[in-house]
Amino acid sequence: AQSVTQPDIHITVSEGASLELRCNYSYGATPYLFWYVQSPGQGLQLLLKYFSGDTLVQGIKGFEAEFKRSQSSFNLRKPSVHWSDAAEYFCAVGAREYGNKLVFGAGTILRVKS
Amino acid sequence: NAGVMQNPRHLVRRRGQEARLRCSPMKGHSHVYWYRQLPEEGLKFMVYLQKENIIDESGMPKERFSAEFPKEGPSILRIQQVVRGDSAAYFCASSPGSNRVTEAFFGQGTRLTVV
Repeated sequence: AQSVTQPDIHITVSEGASLELRCNYSYGATPYLFWYVQSPGQGLQLLLKYFSGDTLVQGIKGFEAEFKRSQSSFNLRKPSVHWSDAAEYFCAVGAREYGNKLVFGAGTILRVKS
Repeated sequence: NAGVMQNPRHLVRRRGQEARLRCSPMKGHSHVYWYRQLPEEGLKFMVYLQKENIIDESGMPKERFSAEFPKEGPSILRIQQVVRGDSAAYFCASSPGSNRVTEAFFGQGTRLTVV
């Protein structure tokens, strides 16, 4: 069965510090990987996606993620966190073989302290 | 180009009533996906529809839940005889639809509260 694991439920970082959110997946097909961000009471905004090619992908708001097939991981990073980055972050996996539906991780809540 | 539109944004129903959630996909998108987000959980896939067809309903509860995407008009997720456990945020996403994977664009969600 397909699954996505985000091991950290909550993460707190200081403003200006670097950030890494972990995501591991288990998938029977060639995965396509996404990171979404959700502010309280809002919908999901796509931060970045990986379909193929360069395994280091750049997204919006200064985020990047690296696809590591050998580790089945797609960790999200940002070199310097801003207070406005406080939100919940979801990793998601899809595949053409599964009709493009997404399997989501449980999410990581990011808190930023000043 | 308007995004994915969901309405209502908030819906309160008493136990036993029916809830109807509507989703208008982005212009030019023919594929719609419904997801449910329970409190403090990630999104769970419910159903995948194309115009007039249900493609994958493997995530739909067997009873009380149904979905449609008619030739004209929005996609509808219907929950009959709601119970407290149906309280959740329901998100719709749409994509252009093709043989290749594309990103899905999400609506703002409908937050259903059953009292």
